[in-house]
Amino acid sequence: GAVVSQHPSWVICKSGTSVKIECRSLDFQATTMFWYRQFPKQSLMLMATSNEGSKATYEQGVEKDKFLINHASLTLSTLTVTSAHPEDSSFYICSARVGTRNEQFFGPGTRLTVL
Amino acid sequence: GNSVTQMEGPVTLSEEAFLTINCTYTATGYPSLFWYVQYPGEGLQLLLKATKADDKGSNKGFEATYRKETTSFHLEKGSVQVSDSAVYFCALTSNTNAGKSTFGDGTTLTVKP
Repeated sequence: GAVVSQHPSWVICKSGTSVKIECRSLDFQATTMFWYRQFPKQSLMLMATSNEGSKATYEQGVEKDKFLINHASLTLSTLTVTSAHPEDSSFYICSARVGTRNEQFFGPGTRLTVL
Repeated sequence: GNSVTQMEGPVTLSEEAFLTINCTYTATGYPSLFWYVQYPGEGLQLLLKATKADDKGSNKGFEATYRKETTSFHLEKGSVQVSDSAVYFCALTSNTNAGKSTFGDGTTLTVKP
């Protein structure tokens, strides 16, 4: 149980285009999902907290208009990187929280490469 | 705020050697503690966890004990294998921080045959 999927697993796009990444909880309902970014050989950096039915909460320094997050249902959150540029190339990982438990279940990550 | 400090790497060991990766934390409230493993090009996999003081998490030969008095959660394995080569992250999650996780910087382990 507690499986989280991400789609796509990797994507290559041209500079200026927008890319949508999906995060799904497959066998449970997630009221809260988190989006992380990971640069090579670095730790995970929390970008935002996504709560079902409400606006996402962004961490300091993360542009909310650049990284659009939608959590339309209890099993799906999406991250859209708008007008992507090469510096947005990174590994994006989502996680989902079950209720108020102190545990997150991580997706397998999405490798974004912007040319 | 919450923070996690991990032993700096990289760590290189020979197969069957003993492994210790140190992890200490600062947190408000009563956090849960985790060790995650990340293989190249993949996401994070939960290795083990402990939710309260003196709990011992264990999995696949790895162990870590939640020590509140020393605010530590050191990862150990008695005999490492080449397949254990990966990056290991110590993390905590606390309800006082809206369920957000705080990660250490990660420790790269390489096990040589």
